[in-house]
Amino acid sequence: AQKITQTQPGMFVQEKEAVTLDCTYDTSDQSYGLFWYKQPSSGEMIFLIYQGSYDEQNATEGRYSLNFQKARKSANLVISASQLGDSAMYFCAMRLENNFNKFYFGSGTKLNVKP
Amino acid sequence: NAGVTQTPKFQVLKTGQSMTLQCAQDMNHNSMYWYRQDPGMGLRLIYYSASEGTTDKGEVPNGYNVSRLNKREFSLRLESAAPSQTSVYFCASSSTGYRVSGYTFGSGTRLTVV
Repeated sequence: AQKITQTQPGMFVQEKEAVTLDCTYDTSDQSYGLFWYKQPSSGEMIFLIYQGSYDEQNATEGRYSLNFQKARKSANLVISASQLGDSAMYFCAMRLENNFNKFYFGSGTKLNVKP
Repeated sequence: NAGVTQTPKFQVLKTGQSMTLQCAQDMNHNSMYWYRQDPGMGLRLIYYSASEGTTDKGEVPNGYNVSRLNKREFSLRLESAAPSQTSVYFCASSSTGYRVSGYTFGSGTRLTVV
């Protein structure tokens, strides 16, 4: 069975500092993709970053990077230079290559950026 | 702007009432999905449609029905609403390619059943 675990229900970070949001996953499949989404208080879901299971380099998108440790089955999101607008819920998700119609979501981490 | 459009944004129903949530996408995506989001539980898949003319159950299909009206539209129906269906509902779509940016989500429908 597939499972995504986010163990941090809530986190605080000081503006301009970096923060790491944890995500571990469980699957026996070898081919999968890992995603992070942001959900601000307005409610929409915004795609942030993607990492394929065979990608050797960690994914980066602007201030977002994904610290992918395949052996440990972790896919932590790192946000550098936090901004007030980064305050939101963050969801980690996984999608299997042999069943791309199913996304498995974690329960989310609420990030609060303090001025 | 291209994307996924959901209606309505908010709805209050009485127990036993029925309603249909509408979803349309203009990105020519083959696959569409309905999720519900409950506090502390992330998003759970209700139904999905891999292509026009097909629908399949997800993780929590009981109490819901869906219709893939055409490639653009995918509706979710509650035949007899129950308080346990109070949730935020998201429609999403994706292309069938694997290395894609995941889903494009609609803005959500906040449903309260009293």
